Amino acid sequence: DVKVTQSSRYLVKRTGEKVFLECVQDMDHENMFWYRQDPGLGLRLIYFSYDVKMKEKGDIPEGYSVSREKKERFSLILESASTNQTSMYLCASSKTGGYTFGSGTRLTVV
Amino acid sequence: GENVEQHPSTLSVQEGDSAVIKCTYSDSASNYFPWYKQELGKGPQLIIDIRSNVGEKKDQRIAVTLNKTAKHFSLHITETQPEDSAVYFCAASILYDMRFGAGTRLTVKP
Repeated sequence: DVKVTQSSRYLVKRTGEKVFLECVQDMDHENMFWYRQDPGLGLRLIYFSYDVKMKEKGDIPEGYSVSREKKERFSLILESASTNQTSMYLCASSKTGGYTFGSGTRLTVV
Repeated sequence: GENVEQHPSTLSVQEGDSAVIKCTYSDSASNYFPWYKQELGKGPQLIIDIRSNVGEKKDQRIAVTLNKTAKHFSLHITETQPEDSAVYFCAASILYDMRFGAGTRLTVKP
């Protein structure tokens, strides 16, 4: 069964910390995405990548960066975590068409 | 850019009844329309999709219809069961750019 795996289900970090969220897919997909999900706001795109070492900003990239050194791995980095980055973070991958999502990382910044 | 609106935000039905969720999109260039189901504690899962050259698609108890002229599409679930209770998201996509609706929380009462 194809999978997108996010390294942590729950994470608690302090304000100002640098935070790494990891995502790995085993489907040889070119495209990978990071979303955040907040009640009433749906899924908002943070960054995406359509190839190794390529990245594109989504709708809400401020305060985030990404890294894609290998095709299967797409990392989201919070340079200096703030309380307004408390959210559910979802990683997804695709070849063409529909996305396969990971189970999400619920991040709390205190 | 694309904007997707989804209604209703909450929907409660009796087991065995039908449920309908509606979405509208703004960009006539969108050509791929997936629907996702998100159960508690899990990432969204693709349940059905439709491309712009098709007006209707059915998979057992679920069906999706697309009206390109009016720029709206709908999810229909017949003979609902308690396990259909979840949050449902519609989306509209052009190439890598997929935009999601805000979600509908469906509750099926036994």
